[in-house]
Amino acid sequence: EPEVTQTPSHQVTQMGQEVILRCVPISNHLYFYWYRQILGQKVEFLVSFYNNEISEKSEIFDDQFSVERPDGSNFTLKIRSTKLEDSAMYFCASSEVPYEQYFGPGTRLTVT
Amino acid sequence: QKEVEQNSGPLSVPEGAIASLNCTYSDRVSQSFFWYRQYSGKSPELIMSIYSNGDKEDGRFTAQLNKASQYVSLLIRDSQPSDSATYLCAVNSNAGNMLTFGGGTRLMVKP
Repeated sequence: EPEVTQTPSHQVTQMGQEVILRCVPISNHLYFYWYRQILGQKVEFLVSFYNNEISEKSEIFDDQFSVERPDGSNFTLKIRSTKLEDSAMYFCASSEVPYEQYFGPGTRLTVT
Repeated sequence: QKEVEQNSGPLSVPEGAIASLNCTYSDRVSQSFFWYRQYSGKSPELIMSIYSNGDKEDGRFTAQLNKASQYVSLLIRDSQPSDSATYLCAVNSNAGNMLTFGGGTRLMVKP
């Protein structure tokens, strides 16, 4: 069964450093998303991406965040200057049509 | 502010019983509703979607939606210890593609 994959599974970085989280969505899916989950808290929406542009973003997704689909298979989330409060699980999701979103295994980001 | 509320639990049921999980949402224009299962340390796994009032059954799972009451529920029949997880309710308002998640209900199924 096709699934969303994410790399790395765990990323440790120092405050102020840039990180890029990578995702390979399910191959026939057209809609891509990033969510995050701080330990013990709700899953929070960051951004959705369709037709090579951002379709929606939350208040969390400020100028420090960006997304890109650099080729036909990868979807990336970049955090330009990480803060301690960016420590969380970051989930990529994709969907063939809007709404039924399938999540990848996540990247645990630890900012020290 | 769109809110999705769930009782955090834990909800403890014996093996073979029916587990009933509930969710309320604040945005009256919400159109699409989803249940995800999340095992500890893992990612959310989509188990049910429901779009119209009434019941939708899939195997041991039944989702129920009442838009007038802004209420969605998930029933798990013949609960198994492997069903022990946190169940997340997620809602989409049709204003975009984002899902708003509840905090989840932790289900414990005891052998």
